[in-house]
Amino acid sequence: RKEVEQDPGPFNVPEGATVAFNCTYSNSASQSFFWYRQDCRKEPKLLMSVYSSGNEDGRFTAQLNRASQYISLLIRDSKLSDSATYLCVVNAGSGGYQKVTFGTGTKLQVIP
Amino acid sequence: EAGVAQSPRYKIIEKRQSVAFWCNPISGHATLYWYQQILGQGPKLLIQFQNNGVVDDSQLPKDRFSAERLKGVDSTLKIQPAKLEDSAVYLCASSYNIFRDRGSGNTIYFGEGSWLTVV
Repeated sequence: RKEVEQDPGPFNVPEGATVAFNCTYSNSASQSFFWYRQDCRKEPKLLMSVYSSGNEDGRFTAQLNRASQYISLLIRDSKLSDSATYLCVVNAGSGGYQKVTFGTGTKLQVIP
Repeated sequence: EAGVAQSPRYKIIEKRQSVAFWCNPISGHATLYWYQQILGQGPKLLIQFQNNGVVDDSQLPKDRFSAERLKGVDSTLKIQPAKLEDSAVYLCASSYNIFRDRGSGNTIYFGEGSWLTVV
């Protein structure tokens, strides 16, 4: 089983739609979680951290389910500019330091 | 605040040649990473430094890849000899201090990447 798994997509959604991505992780000792956004031929950039109680930033909502070991990202009212690949990142303690693992990413295409 | 700097941005070499990439992390960041990202895949960690020490190089193909961070600031990643399958973008990243659990405070910041094509 991969340490961090994501559905690669692509998710093709119309403008204005709501779309959700899930990401599962295998290490139950994982401590912090992030969503990164990567535009085509660009570097990944932090979209938002994921807090235990869930958090929202504008149209974006992130949730953490420790019992089932997954995190989710919900995008409401999708915009054309949301088209990108969304990378799930999990940070787990290992050997005294925080080991960071990236998922393979979920590609989102918002269609006019 | 200056971001993570990388050079060169683009490089085309023939197989069996060598190439070197340079990275300057964000000032004050103790942890530095080199990732390899092949088109359509997520970033794969090659090597992780804490100051000038290696903390994880388990996925670095050591027969052809090497990296150093001698003074705990800048870093260089070298490939010698290159293979066709090394064509990828090499991303350097840094974070404050991976040995301290700052939870969501230990954000990883990426450079723009060095795009390598091996022909």
